[in-house]
Amino acid sequence: DQQVKQNSPSLSVQEGRISILNCDYTNSMFDYFLWYKKYPAEGPTFLISISSIKDKNEDGRFTVFLNKSAKHLSLHIVPSQPGDSAVYFCAASGMGGGADGLTFGKGTHLIIQP
Amino acid sequence: KAGVTQTPRYLIKTRGQQVTLSCSPISGHRSVSWYQQTPGQGLQFLFEYFSETQRNKGNFPGRFSGRQFSNSRSEMNVSTLELGDSALYLCASSLAGQAGANVLTFGAGSRLTVL
Repeated sequence: DQQVKQNSPSLSVQEGRISILNCDYTNSMFDYFLWYKKYPAEGPTFLISISSIKDKNEDGRFTVFLNKSAKHLSLHIVPSQPGDSAVYFCAASGMGGGADGLTFGKGTHLIIQP
Repeated sequence: KAGVTQTPRYLIKTRGQQVTLSCSPISGHRSVSWYQQTPGQGLQFLFEYFSETQRNKGNFPGRFSGRQFSNSRSEMNVSTLELGDSALYLCASSLAGQAGANVLTFGAGSRLTVL
């Protein structure tokens, strides 16, 4: 039973346009959400996070939106650049004491077309 | 500041063998977590160690085990290897181990192929 779902295995976007990556979750105990980016032959690297007390967090070209009622979050990248081509993982956790381990989605492969 | 180091990067084993993977966390990080990445399942949480104690465990069989040493370095072991164990095994470290409050820094992974 997938608790974090990324329903688009891949997404192709033209350079300079907006990339929107989506993520849905089912576990209402999740209250902290992260996006990781992964290049081939490298480990995932942290991109941006958001806690459930917020509905938006921005960091440069990257913005994450959280809709708790819909259990949905999205990552916006504006403008998209060729170096953004990578696999993006959405992850979620609860903030109870101790690490519950992050629950990851299966990833979305973003391809930025020149 | 050195990142998370995993060894070996690549290895090939046959069914029934066992394997040990090693992870050196970022200096000062006391929590080490392990994840398995496969094409079909994405990243799945194996276990997390903090101060030499396993604090949390994912839904994996007992063939998967790990430990953490006093210097925070960690090893994971898989016994009686099966073809389905072929995967990228990722280690991640963080300061205090609360996934929400502390971002995980991942190593490049150990790619295990079981023949």
